[in-house]
Amino acid sequence: DIVMTQSPGSLAVSLGERATISCKSSQSVLHSSNNKNYLAWYQLKPGQPPKLLIYWASTRDSGVPDRFSGSGSGTDFSLTISSLQAEDVAVYYCQQYYSTLWTFGQGTKVEIK
Amino acid sequence: QVQLQESGPGLVKPSETLSLTCAVSGYSISSGYYWGWIRLPPGKGLEWIGSIYHSGSASYNPALKSRVTISVDTSKNQFSLNLRSVTAADTALYYCARVAGMGVLGYWGQGTLVTVSS
Repeated sequence: DIVMTQSPGSLAVSLGERATISCKSSQSVLHSSNNKNYLAWYQLKPGQPPKLLIYWASTRDSGVPDRFSGSGSGTDFSLTISSLQAEDVAVYYCQQYYSTLWTFGQGTKVEIK
Repeated sequence: QVQLQESGPGLVKPSETLSLTCAVSGYSISSGYYWGWIRLPPGKGLEWIGSIYHSGSASYNPALKSRVTISVDTSKNQFSLNLRSVTAADTALYYCARVAGMGVLGYWGQGTLVTVSS
């Protein structure tokens, strides 16, 4: 299984400041056939359907604000919220879909400082 | 707008079968895509349970494969999860989702909490 490790487990950031979440995979999720990283990011809020933010490690899904960005390649990835808004309080998960067994990180809780 | 809604009992007894249904609106399951189940146990991370294509071809998490069956009913535009011989470790928030190609979960339901307890 590909193990996904996120850090930190929780993060408190002031409104308008930058928040960065790290996600490391136990093996590379970069596919040599198409040079794509099979890595996605999701936002979970209580009582709401989870929301896809980023796929292919850096492609924003339709309608996702551009303050959300994904970067990285191979085994090291990050999700950055460039200017934290109150509505961004949530738990964020990374997911690899490189292997047939899709696995997720343990989640990072983002709060307002 | 694609919408998914999970339904089923919120309480299941140990050793019994957990059964959930995901009703899809805004898209016909028979038109394509894979459809999946994911769960979030309390205090833990997300876990993929399995996925099914509209044709009925399914794949499962090996850790759960011996206890899981996912089926699809295109006439009702819904798909279902059966998890047999449940224990307290199966207590979780269960989500259904549409798989947007290659394993990206594009649309999700709100989730339904299932507690395993006598």
